[in-house]
Amino acid sequence: NAGVMQNPRHLVRRRGQEARLRCSPMKGHSHVYWYRQLPEEGLKFMVYLQKENIIDESGMPKERFSAEFPKEGPSILRIQQVVRGDSAAYFCASSEDRTYEQYFGPGTRLTVT
Amino acid sequence: AQSVAQPEDQVNVAEGNPLTVKCTYSVSGNPYLFWYVQYPNRGLQFLLKYITGDNLVKGSYGFEAEFNKSQTSFHLKKPSALVSDSALYFCAVIIGGFKTIFGAGTRLFVKA
Repeated sequence: NAGVMQNPRHLVRRRGQEARLRCSPMKGHSHVYWYRQLPEEGLKFMVYLQKENIIDESGMPKERFSAEFPKEGPSILRIQQVVRGDSAAYFCASSEDRTYEQYFGPGTRLTVT
Repeated sequence: AQSVAQPEDQVNVAEGNPLTVKCTYSVSGNPYLFWYVQYPNRGLQFLLKYITGDNLVKGSYGFEAEFNKSQTSFHLKKPSALVSDSALYFCAVIIGGFKTIFGAGTRLFVKA
């Protein structure tokens, strides 16, 4: 059973461009979470999704950020018009049930130049 | 406010000695508590969890944690530390049935 897959692992974008981060959960997992981690800091919850539904997006900035988890295909975290402050590691996690342990992907390191 | 605290930024222990990484929580209701470990440039790995039942929970790699309701703590322990245990450790709690709040992390250094 493959683990949580994220791609790309590293992404460089210039200010004003769009960043698109992909996450494929573990097989059988229908719950997906996105987190942001700044260097030497903990993880900050961004959004929680189930198939085709956003359950909680309270940790995601209202502007420029969006997330989806379509019926088919990976979950996507989209950041429009990136700014330098968006530079961080973005981790995706999945779980079998919302109260179960989460399995994390390797992360996407976004650098905005 | 519901929160998780890891009071130590860093813990240093000698190989072979016991280690403790502290975690306290403040949540309403019964907590679901977790420990995760992060190695450099990697995602978090699940170590163990407490949902209900025995207060002493055993997890991966010889780690265990003790749930203490009166002290609202969930400290991570290992009887004999290994150099390879050196990593960043995160305590976490699920609130509202699904949202996971992570502590700020504790960096563990194990010296040979």
